[in-house]
Amino acid sequence: AQRVTQPEKLLSVFKGAPVELKCNYSYSGSPELFWYVQYSRQRLQLLLRHISRESIKGFTADLNKGETSFHLKKPFAQEEDSAMYYCALSGQGNTGKLIFGQGTTLQVKP
Amino acid sequence: NAGVTQTPKFQVLKTGQSMTLQCAQDMNHNSMYWYRQDPGMGLRLIYYSASEGTTDKGEVPNGYNVSRLNKREFSLRLESAAPSQTSVYFCASNRQGGTGELFFGEGSRLTVL
Repeated sequence: AQRVTQPEKLLSVFKGAPVELKCNYSYSGSPELFWYVQYSRQRLQLLLRHISRESIKGFTADLNKGETSFHLKKPFAQEEDSAMYYCALSGQGNTGKLIFGQGTTLQVKP
Repeated sequence: NAGVTQTPKFQVLKTGQSMTLQCAQDMNHNSMYWYRQDPGMGLRLIYYSASEGTTDKGEVPNGYNVSRLNKREFSLRLESAAPSQTSVYFCASNRQGGTGELFFGEGSRLTVL
């Protein structure tokens, strides 16, 4: 079965500290993985996708097929990073539908 | 461009009442989706429409119906609302064959008493 697991409901760090939001997945084929972010009073939006191998707002995520993980990392957290983060997996076929994890709230304290 | 627009933003219903959530997108996307967001559960797919004229069940379709009215519009109907349907509902769209980026509406908060 296709599944995305985010083990932490809440991650609280101080400004300037490193951040790692964990994401594990189960999928039988070649996965496409994404991180979406929802800032307060804003729409859910794409943060980054693994195929782009890009860094957005200082965040990076590497797909580790051996560990079936796609953890989101940032070396120095900023207060404006406080938000809800969702890891998502693109399922089979060409439907574009995504399977989301439970979400992790990142709280960056001053 | 407004992107994805949902109405209403807030609604309170009594158990057994019916209502329709409306969604429209102006990005000429082929695929549209309805998700519900619940604390600790993340976003779960209710129904989706891969293209105009087609609809398919997602993970949690029970108690809902959908209509893909045209390429722009995709509505979600609760025929007989239940307290378990209290949630925040999100509509999203995607260019068919795209890389999976979904564009979301602002959400509709529904409370069923």
